[in-house]
Amino acid sequence: DVKVTQSSRYLVKRTGEKVFLECVQDMDHENMFWYRQDPGLGLRLIYFSYDVKMKEKGDIPEGYSVSREKKERFSLILESASTNQTSMYLCASSTITGAPLGEKLFFGSGTQLSVL
Amino acid sequence: KQEVTQIPAALSVPEGENLVLNCSFTDSAIYNLQWFRQDPGKGLTSLLLIQSSQREQTSGRLNASLDKSSGRSTLYIAASQPGDSATYLCAVRPRDDKIIFGKGTRLHILP
Repeated sequence: DVKVTQSSRYLVKRTGEKVFLECVQDMDHENMFWYRQDPGLGLRLIYFSYDVKMKEKGDIPEGYSVSREKKERFSLILESASTNQTSMYLCASSTITGAPLGEKLFFGSGTQLSVL
Repeated sequence: KQEVTQIPAALSVPEGENLVLNCSFTDSAIYNLQWFRQDPGKGLTSLLLIQSSQREQTSGRLNASLDKSSGRSTLYIAASQPGDSATYLCAVRPRDDKIIFGKGTRLHILP
């Protein structure tokens, strides 16, 4: 079974702190994604990566950065956490098939981040 | 830009009934459509993926159909069980964009 592991289920941070959210997948997938999910807004793509050291902005990259130093690991960084970044963060991965950006998405269990 | 809509936002159904969840999208130029399940406070689990050339996919009690020309997909759940209670999301992969999710239908199966 494909496993996408997010390092924390719940996280509480203070405004202004630097926050690292870690995601690891064990299926040698090329593509990895970070989403946030908020009630009424659905899933929104923050950043994604096609390959090691590669990153692309999604729909809402402001206030976030990412790092992909190894193929299996994709980190989301909140440079200076703010209260409006309180949300459920979901990591996903997929592998390249005939279409760009891959096909079936596999998600981690999510990290519920609260910024106080 | 592609939009994905799921109506209703919430649905309650007595146990044992068959039910249909709906998903509509505005642009038929898609590679595929996926249905996901999400339990409260958890991540998404892929249920079925339909390629653009396919009309339906089946897995156990689940059957998903795709009608690209009308911009619609349905997820049919047979003989519903309380364990089916969850939020169901559909997502389309446009030919010229990243995957786009609907906001989901929250399903509650009444025992």
